[in-house]
Amino acid sequence: DSGVTQTPKHLITATGQRVTLRCSPRSGDLSVYWYQQSLDQGLQFLIQYYNGEERAKGNILERFSAQQFPDLHSELNLSSLELGDSALYFCASSVGWTVRETQYFGPGTRLLVL
Amino acid sequence: GESVGLHLPTLSVQEGDNSIINCAYSNSASDYFIWYKQESGKGPQFIIDIRSNMDKRQGQRVTVLLNKTVKHLSLQIAATQPGDSAVYFCAENPGDKIIFGKGTRLHILP
Repeated sequence: DSGVTQTPKHLITATGQRVTLRCSPRSGDLSVYWYQQSLDQGLQFLIQYYNGEERAKGNILERFSAQQFPDLHSELNLSSLELGDSALYFCASSVGWTVRETQYFGPGTRLLVL
Repeated sequence: GESVGLHLPTLSVQEGDNSIINCAYSNSASDYFIWYKQESGKGPQFIIDIRSNMDKRQGQRVTVLLNKTVKHLSLQIAATQPGDSAVYFCAENPGDKIIFGKGTRLHILP
């Protein structure tokens, strides 16, 4: 158990809908990272937040947004969902702001868009 | 370009033998590399990392080798056990993000 929790574990929704994925980092970690894992694209970095502020951005679509709250939990919002958004979404956390620290991954949320 | 790849998608190894998983990276600016292990139904788990000022680093039963000349990274697992069965990803850090390779599935033969 990494200490990172993600909810829900599974999510099934329809095209055009909007969903919110939630992540709670390990106690004491200030950074939260979001990743998307699909069969064709592999594991792709989406976005990083550090202590409530956006720190780095990767291949995140404009339809996707995220935020980190004062209690350090984070939410990833996916809107106008398309079939291609079906994937595993992982959140990871680390203590500091640099990516050169060990990231601890949560168990993921499996999203299926029908 | 921004690609990190692995030479073999699947590697089958006899239990007790050593495993070697290879990775090629393409970004010359990368100076930090990581290996992750992902078991079925779980998130990636950090195994070992190496900075570009080193060419070898050892952990518990694992060794990472870095050859910057040919942009090649490898993970060696000693005395492979059934619990090592997983997908292994190499990742590089060319800036402020981590770029993952596609992964190699390690299959342990009894």
